[in-house]
Amino acid sequence: AQSVTQLGSHVSVSEGALVLLRCNYSSSVPPYLFWYVQYPNQGLQLLLKYTTGATLVKGINGFEAEFKKSETSFHLTKPSAHMSDAAEYFCAVSSNNAGNMLTFGGGTRLMVKP
Amino acid sequence: NAGVTQTPKFQVLKTGQSMTLQCAQDMNHNSMYWYRQDPGMGLRLIYYSASEGTTDKGEVPNGYNVSRLNKREFSLRLESAAPSQTSVYFCASSESRGTGYYGYTFGSGTRLTVV
Repeated sequence: AQSVTQLGSHVSVSEGALVLLRCNYSSSVPPYLFWYVQYPNQGLQLLLKYTTGATLVKGINGFEAEFKKSETSFHLTKPSAHMSDAAEYFCAVSSNNAGNMLTFGGGTRLMVKP
Repeated sequence: NAGVTQTPKFQVLKTGQSMTLQCAQDMNHNSMYWYRQDPGMGLRLIYYSASEGTTDKGEVPNGYNVSRLNKREFSLRLESAAPSQTSVYFCASSESRGTGYYGYTFGSGTRLTVV
């Protein structure tokens, strides 16, 4: 079985500050890891993904995430928050053993203060 | 624009009424999914269809039925709506071969209220 835990259902940062959204997963096999973003009243959009290869992956809008196998983590970061980053962010895990189906974390709502 | 289209976007039902949520994708994806999203609970899988002609239960299937009408369309039916089914429903699709590499494409959601 696979699962995802996102620490902190709400995160608040000031504009220009570092964004750090935490994601830990459990998977019995090498995972595929994803971050999705959901803007108000919209569907989920893919931010970035890790499948194989380089453990630091870059996504859209200046976000990046690092896969750390030893820590079973895939934290999402952005050096400088922008007001437009305010949204809900979901971490998800998939694997071959799960038929490549995604399991989602509970989500983290990011608020950006001016 | 290519993607996943859901209808309707909003719906209010009375307890006991039935309705069908429609989903269509034009990316020639094999796999399709229905999720519900509730505050603090992330997305929970209701049903999925790995390929045309197959459907399987997910985490929270009770009270729902699905039909994979063809490769493009995957509908979700509430036979007798209950207030506990008030939620936002998302349809998604993916290519089953190497799905894990590409993730899902989501529709914009259906916001359902059952009173």
